[in-house]
Amino acid sequence: AQTVTQSQPEMSVQEAETVTLSCTYDTSESDYYLFWYKQPPSRQMILVIRQEAYKQQNATENRFSVNFQKAAKSFSLKISDSQLGDAAMYFCAYRTSLTSGSRLTFGEGTQLTVNP
Amino acid sequence: NAGVTQTPKFQVLKTGQSMTLQCAQDMNHEYMSWYRQDPGMGLRLIHYSVGAGITDQGEVPNGYNVSRSTTEDFPLRLLSAAPSQTSVYFCASSYGTGVYYEQYFGPGTRLTVT
Repeated sequence: AQTVTQSQPEMSVQEAETVTLSCTYDTSESDYYLFWYKQPPSRQMILVIRQEAYKQQNATENRFSVNFQKAAKSFSLKISDSQLGDAAMYFCAYRTSLTSGSRLTFGEGTQLTVNP
Repeated sequence: NAGVTQTPKFQVLKTGQSMTLQCAQDMNHEYMSWYRQDPGMGLRLIHYSVGAGITDQGEVPNGYNVSRSTTEDFPLRLLSAAPSQTSVYFCASSYGTGVYYEQYFGPGTRLTVT
């Protein structure tokens, strides 16, 4: 079974600065997908960024980018130019590429605080 | 499109009571899932479905039942509520299983069992 670990329960960053959230995972599969989700106080789950394991290039979405290290099974999220609206719980998630449903395995989450 | 809807938004049950959490989507998605979210544990998969009439267990299925009689609806039944089932429940759906088939989440149901 796959597992996802987020070792930072809480992080804080000053507005306009950069912060990196860590995620490691364990799997025996060679092809899979990784995601970062944002959950603001509204509880809504919002997809931030996604990465295919077979792609070497790190995914980027505006101020959000990932550092994907397949051999190390590491998938960190970098938020540049942090904004107050970035304050939320962030979840790392894994999904198998096998066509057995679209099930996600989540990490424990990292609560990000953005200080003005 | 309304997306993924869940009812109720909040519910309080007494131990031993049963209830059904409703989930519906109007996007013609084949894949639907139920997760529970507990502090410090992220979201954990309860049950999932790959199409009408097909369901399977996830990571924490005990105490819950599901059925999928239509593509649109995927209700979650609590058979005999226990305090350990106090949690926030999310329903999710997606059209496919590739990386660009995004999972859409409902707004969640906060359930308290006393």
